[in-house]
Amino acid sequence: DAGVTQSPTHLIKTRGQQVTLRCSPKSGHDTVSWYQQALGQGPQFIFQYYEEEERQRGNFPDRFSGHQFPNYSSELNVNALLLGDSALYLCASSLIAGGPHEQYFGPGTRLTVT
Amino acid sequence: DAKTTQPPSMDCAEGRAANLPCNHSTISGNEYVYWYRQIHSQGPQYIIHGLKNNETNEMASLIITEDRKSSTLILPHATLRDTAVYYCIVRVGRYGGSQGNLIFGKGTKLSVKP
Repeated sequence: DAGVTQSPTHLIKTRGQQVTLRCSPKSGHDTVSWYQQALGQGPQFIFQYYEEEERQRGNFPDRFSGHQFPNYSSELNVNALLLGDSALYLCASSLIAGGPHEQYFGPGTRLTVT
Repeated sequence: DAKTTQPPSMDCAEGRAANLPCNHSTISGNEYVYWYRQIHSQGPQYIIHGLKNNETNEMASLIITEDRKSSTLILPHATLRDTAVYYCIVRVGRYGGSQGNLIFGKGTKLSVKP
């Protein structure tokens, strides 16, 4: 079992550009959540996808959007990048009927906006 | 979800027990205490959780005070690989309408020294 995988590992973008990050959930999981982790801070919840729909959203602007595919994999899109979007973006997968202790995180994508 | 307070950093000698405290004085009766850790450049990893009884697994022990207002995570024989940021999170045990929404603070940076 490969666990949760994310791509790319690192990414450098210029302010104003758009970026797409990808996540493959742990085998058997049907739910994907995305978190943003700024340097020195804990992860902050962005949104969660289940059955190809956004089910819950944290306090993030509409520039952050996502998608879930029929195979449960997911993408996070960020438009009009700002310097403040530089962070580690974490994907976590779980079962919709599971509990917080059953959420598995990927290694993250490090995004640098210059 | 209840707010938690943790010391920003702690040191521990290799081979000794690491005791990480967490205050959660506003915890509700149906809220569990969860512990996650994040090793540098990796995603958070679930360690243990409990409601009111002390819990032990292969990774750690969790001691919850009788009034449930604080808890301690114990790593019985810390190794260099236990150097990480440890997060204490308080929330309901099942996802319900807020699945995926783990609220992380800044955690405690534990440094295990040889």
